[in-house]
Amino acid sequence: SQQGEEDPQALSIQEGENATMNCSYKTSINNLQWYRQNSGRGLVHLILIRSNEREKHSGRLRVTLDTSKKSSSLLITASRAADTASYFCATVRTSGTYKYIFGTGTRLKVLA
Amino acid sequence: GAVVSQHPSWVICKSGTSVKIECRSLDFQATTMFWYRQFPKQSLMLMATSNEGSKATYEQGVEKDKFLINHASLTLSTLTVTSAHPEDSSFYICSARDRQREPSDTQYFGPGTRLTVL
Repeated sequence: SQQGEEDPQALSIQEGENATMNCSYKTSINNLQWYRQNSGRGLVHLILIRSNEREKHSGRLRVTLDTSKKSSSLLITASRAADTASYFCATVRTSGTYKYIFGTGTRLKVLA
Repeated sequence: GAVVSQHPSWVICKSGTSVKIECRSLDFQATTMFWYRQFPKQSLMLMATSNEGSKATYEQGVEKDKFLINHASLTLSTLTVTSAHPEDSSFYICSARDRQREPSDTQYFGPGTRLTVL
């Protein structure tokens, strides 16, 4: 399967703590994107990091990319109950037809 | 900007009937639209890619006669689940890509359609 993997599969933390999710992929990529999905809803785009970038910030989000290890991490700082959702990474390959390869996802639960 | 809608948001149908799901890009022209299927607590699986005015490209294992996709305009794609059976019950999500918008590699997702086949 081409599908990427994310860990942990599930994460439960207290409000105010930081949450870190990791994503590993298998092929060379142009970029990697992170999405959030609230239960029973569509995906909301969070952040895109290109293959020549190592770190990117957006508000309370920090994303890193290590192309040598084919991995990325998403850090959510000072988490809130509203951050409770599933988080997916999606990669776009450098070759072949354009499409997303999704990771398996991390289910984050932030306890108030 | 980059809003994608889906209709209906949920549908319940009897086994053997056909169901049509619409996906619309509301404020941009979608050169490409994608249809995904998602089972509970699992990731999204790409079913097919459709470009406006041409036939959809289906992923391996997806029956094209079962899941009919039409992309008649730059703002509308439809997925028809023909002769639906209980195993077709799932969450179907569409996305759209606008190659004129930066970043051009980003897909924008609809809210999804929950299909339940009795």
